[in-house]
Amino acid sequence: QKEVEQNSGPLSVPEGAIASLNCTYSDRGSQSFFWYRQYSGKSPELIMFIYSNGDKEDGRFTAQLNKASQYVSLLIRDSQPSDSATYLCAVPINTGGFKTIFGAGTRLFVKA
Amino acid sequence: DTEVTQTPKHLVMGMTNKKSLKCEQHMGHRAMYWYKQKAKKPPELMFVYSYEKLSINESVPSRFSPECPNSSLLNLHLHALQPEDSALYLCASSPRERGQETQYFGPGTRLLVL
Repeated sequence: QKEVEQNSGPLSVPEGAIASLNCTYSDRGSQSFFWYRQYSGKSPELIMFIYSNGDKEDGRFTAQLNKASQYVSLLIRDSQPSDSATYLCAVPINTGGFKTIFGAGTRLFVKA
Repeated sequence: DTEVTQTPKHLVMGMTNKKSLKCEQHMGHRAMYWYKQKAKKPPELMFVYSYEKLSINESVPSRFSPECPNSSLLNLHLHALQPEDSALYLCASSPRERGQETQYFGPGTRLLVL
C-alpha cells in the first residue's frame, strides 16, 4: 500500500458542479493533512489544511477528515474552469521523523 | 512578506557545468526544503534544513549539494548532473521543522541538463 494514495483521474465535471477529490493515507500517527493545487508548469499552492476530524470550510472549498478510516477529501463547490488543475494531497508520515509525502495528484477538468 | 523566492526561473546546463539554485524567504521560517518534481509526478523530498542544520537527506546523489548560509537562504549546488536530473526544483519553507506543518512553496526553477 502506498503511503498516500489518490485517484489520478482525470476527473471531469461541468461548470457549477461539485468536484470531489479523495485521498487515503497509511500512517495512523499523521495529525495534519494538506491539499495543494498545482497548475501546469507552476508550483504547488496551499488550498486547505485540516487537523481535526470532520469538515472544514473555506469559501467554495471543504476539507473532510476521517482519521478512523484514514481518509481525507476535498470538495469544490460551484466548480469553475479556473479550478482545472492537479490537486495534491500531502500527509506527514512518520519515517523515524515526519516527512511530508505527496499523493500522485488528481487532475481535475472543469468544462465550461 | 509571505513569499518564497527562487532564482533562476529557468536553467540550462551541460553535464560538466557547475551551477547553483537559490531560495530565499523572509517569513522567519526556520525550516527549509528542497524538492524535485518530474513531469506529471508529485514533488519528491530531497533535503530538509532545520535551524540551518541539515536534518534530512533523502539519499540524494552527491552531485546535488545543499547549503544553508543563514535562516533566510537556501542554496542547491549542482555539479556533473545527468540528463535525467532535468526537472522542476522546488524550494519550500515552514515555521519550524516539526514535520507536520504547512509548507509554502516558491515558484521553482525549471532545470534542463543537456
